[in-house]
Amino acid sequence: EAGVAQSPRYKIIEKRQSVAFWCNPISGHATLYWYQQILGQGPKLLIQFQNNGVVDDSQLPKDRFSAERLKGVDSTLKIQPAKLEDSAVYLCASSQRWGGDTGELFFGEGSRLTVL
Amino acid sequence: RKEVEQDPGPFNVPEGATVAFNCTYSNSASQSFFWYRQDCRKEPKLLMSVYSSGNEDGRFTAQLNRASQYISLLIRDSKLSDSATYLCVAFSGGYNKLIFGAGTRLAVHP
Repeated sequence: EAGVAQSPRYKIIEKRQSVAFWCNPISGHATLYWYQQILGQGPKLLIQFQNNGVVDDSQLPKDRFSAERLKGVDSTLKIQPAKLEDSAVYLCASSQRWGGDTGELFFGEGSRLTVL
Repeated sequence: RKEVEQDPGPFNVPEGATVAFNCTYSNSASQSFFWYRQDCRKEPKLLMSVYSSGNEDGRFTAQLNRASQYISLLIRDSKLSDSATYLCVAFSGGYNKLIFGAGTRLAVHP
């Protein structure tokens, strides 16, 4: 079974530039998550989709971050304009239903962003 | 106050040692708890769920104390391959989301 695919794996940009990350979840998984993991910290939920609807985006900095999940399958996360503090690994994860049912989220390898 | 708090470590232990990590959570409405493992520069992966009655998976034992709002993970007979960061996770049904702690780093040495 193919896992969660993410791209790009690495991205270096200058502040105020824009960047986009792509995620393709495990086939059939209804729930998709974007987490931000800053070095030395645990993953922080940015946005959670159930199919193509947003369930939770309370911690998404909406003035600069946006995300969409068209057709309820793959998703993109965009940052515009980027700030230095956005340097982090952006992890996409998916689960069959609510993550709390089994606690098992399947994570992609992440997209490592460095903002200079 | 963070919703899920862990001692960041690192815990440096020799092979064969027993090591225990604790984690506290602030939301008494949290319903389910889990331990994830994250290797250096890798993605987190589910290690085990935590049940009120306690559960064991080989060398790993997880316990939940709802009265004191803490979760523990015990690793017996540590292996070099156990070196990783262990993330404590709480599921808050009211918010339908998994909250991760910052992780506890374990380093097992020969």
